[in-house]
Amino acid sequence: QSVLTQPPSASGTPGQRVTISCSGSNSNIGSNTVNWYLQLPGTAPKLLIQSNDQRPSGVPDRFSASKSGTSASLAISGLQSEDEADYYCAAWDDSLLGPVFGGGTKVTVL
Amino acid sequence: QVQLQESGPGLVKPSQTLSLTCTVSGGSVSIAGYSWNWIRQHPEKGLEWIGYIYHSGDTYYNPSLKSRVTISVDTSKNQFSLKLSSVTAADTAIYYCARGRGTVAPDWGQGTLVTVSS
Repeated sequence: QSVLTQPPSASGTPGQRVTISCSGSNSNIGSNTVNWYLQLPGTAPKLLIQSNDQRPSGVPDRFSASKSGTSASLAISGLQSEDEADYYCAAWDDSLLGPVFGGGTKVTVL
Repeated sequence: QVQLQESGPGLVKPSQTLSLTCTVSGGSVSIAGYSWNWIRQHPEKGLEWIGYIYHSGDTYYNPSLKSRVTISVDTSKNQFSLKLSSVTAADTAIYYCARGRGTVAPDWGQGTLVTVSS
């Protein structure tokens, strides 16, 4: 069971907006920034969002994220077929002294 | 652009020790400011942090695995390694090495599947 809680699945049609939630606690999201990773089938996770809402170079601005209290969310606007993947939230945990992850959300483009 | 590559046996027998190495290119494990991480992913499941090491040799392990984990660094070979002892089927997973900076891990290896089976 993952420390951070995400819905197992989300879906939308091309062009729609999809949001993914991530819930944690005071020792992780409540005290530290949130990162989001995208994992395409058969590949390693790739950093999508860092420090709550910052997109690394090369990440389209269709991806946005925010954090409030002990929760965070990722939004994908203008959904495209290539966005079909698993999305993971992560945050540093002050009790663990290491990162904790969500269980992942599988995004399906209908 | 740093690149990381995991290597090691893909099959380990129960009760034995899993040993993996991560070779780093395009960057040095000796530079301060980075953590060198091992993270695993059980089949069809989420990610689990195993532990990390700094260039100084300081290590931090997930408490759930701490009694069985050793992470070390070899600066002469620009590598860092993972040893996980007394493995069981529950340790079957894809093992990733990753470079961390602060609280984020922007660089990952491609991962290597390790199966624990007799």
